[in-house]
Amino acid sequence: EPEVTQTPSHQVTQMGQEVILRCVPISNHLYFYWYRQILGQKVEFLVSFYNNEISEKSEIFDDQFSVERPDGSNFTLKIRSTKLEDSAMYFCASSITQGNGYTFGSGTRLTVV
Amino acid sequence: SQQGEEDPQALSIQEGENATMNCSYKTSINNLQWYRQNSGRGLVHLILIRSNEREKHSGRLRVTLDTSKKSSSLLITASRAADTASYFCATDARTSYDKVIFGPGTSLSVIP
Repeated sequence: EPEVTQTPSHQVTQMGQEVILRCVPISNHLYFYWYRQILGQKVEFLVSFYNNEISEKSEIFDDQFSVERPDGSNFTLKIRSTKLEDSAMYFCASSITQGNGYTFGSGTRLTVV
Repeated sequence: SQQGEEDPQALSIQEGENATMNCSYKTSINNLQWYRQNSGRGLVHLILIRSNEREKHSGRLRVTLDTSKKSSSLLITASRAADTASYFCATDARTSYDKVIFGPGTSLSVIP
């Protein structure tokens, strides 16, 4: 069964540091997404990405956030200057087309100290 | 906001019983999806129902959609302890497939 792979599984970073979360979507999928889930809270949409462009983003996804697909396999989320409130599980997802179910990765737990 | 809201927030049942979770949403949609999340783990896609569908089955799962009431239900029949998890509905918006928003979820406990 194809999987979405996220690395690292857990990252601890100092407040103000830049962090890059990495994802390898399923190889024939064309649509990519980042979500986050603060502990005990709901799953929040951050951004969707298709054809090397952001197609939708939420209010959370401000100038501190960026996404990139630097090659044919990786999809990254960068947080430029982390804040304590960025501590959360970050989930990457991909789908083969629009309007289909997503396959989620296992998540990266980001802890900002 | 298009966000779905699940009901109840928490549900505890005995193994073998059926579990029903409901989801209501506010704006017109293309699709509604249900996901499961085991504690501390990723989300697993269960089923997607399109706005022109009324009912869908997958194994022990049955999903209904009533677009006139902007609501959906997820029924898990003959529940097992392994069904213990949080269940989320997720909706897109008629104007955008690419922004799928999750509800706060129902926490299901199945007691052996």
